[in-house]
Amino acid sequence: KAGVTQTPRYLIKTRGQQVTLSCSPISGHRSVSWYQQTPGQGLQFLFEYFSETQRNKGNFPGRFSGRQFSNSRSEMNVSTLELGDSALYLCASKTSGANNEQFFGPGTRLTVL
Amino acid sequence: AQSVTQPDIHITVSEGASLELRCNYSYGATPYLFWYVQSPGQGLQLLLKYFSGDTLVQGIKGFEAEFKRSQSSFNLRKPSVHWSDAAEYFCAVGPFSNDYKLSFGAGTTVTVRA
Repeated sequence: KAGVTQTPRYLIKTRGQQVTLSCSPISGHRSVSWYQQTPGQGLQFLFEYFSETQRNKGNFPGRFSGRQFSNSRSEMNVSTLELGDSALYLCASKTSGANNEQFFGPGTRLTVL
Repeated sequence: AQSVTQPDIHITVSEGASLELRCNYSYGATPYLFWYVQSPGQGLQLLLKYFSGDTLVQGIKGFEAEFKRSQSSFNLRKPSVHWSDAAEYFCAVGPFSNDYKLSFGAGTTVTVRA
């Protein structure tokens, strides 16, 4: 079974631009979560989607948004990029059920100049 | 709200020596607990997990962890470290049925010296 895939793996943007990151979960997984990882703040939860519905959102500004498609693939969008948005963005998928393991993708490294 | 504390930011250990990474959690009930490892430039790989039952949990790569309710701890151990164990290790709690998220500790970086 293929793992969680994220595209692109690396991105360089400038302040004020917007960016879209993509995540394809493991086949059969309907839950997709996004996390931001920075040296200063560590791993922080962005949002979680299940069957195209956002079930929870972390404490991030409205510039951060996401969606999930009917095939469970998910995208997250960051508008009006700031320098502080430079981070590794990780996507994780899991089956339904609260205690099931989350499988992480390799991440997208976003650099904002 | 649940939280996770990893008291050690950085640990250096000699190859072949034992390793113990500390993790303390704060939660009203018995949580779901995880240890993940992250190699440079990579995503997170699950080492082991605890949901219930036997408090000593075996994981991959020779790692084990012990859940101690009285101490709110879930420490990770490995009897003999290999150079390939150099990485960052994260303890996490969750996800919970009401918020669906994992809460991570700040991580512990392990350096292995020859």
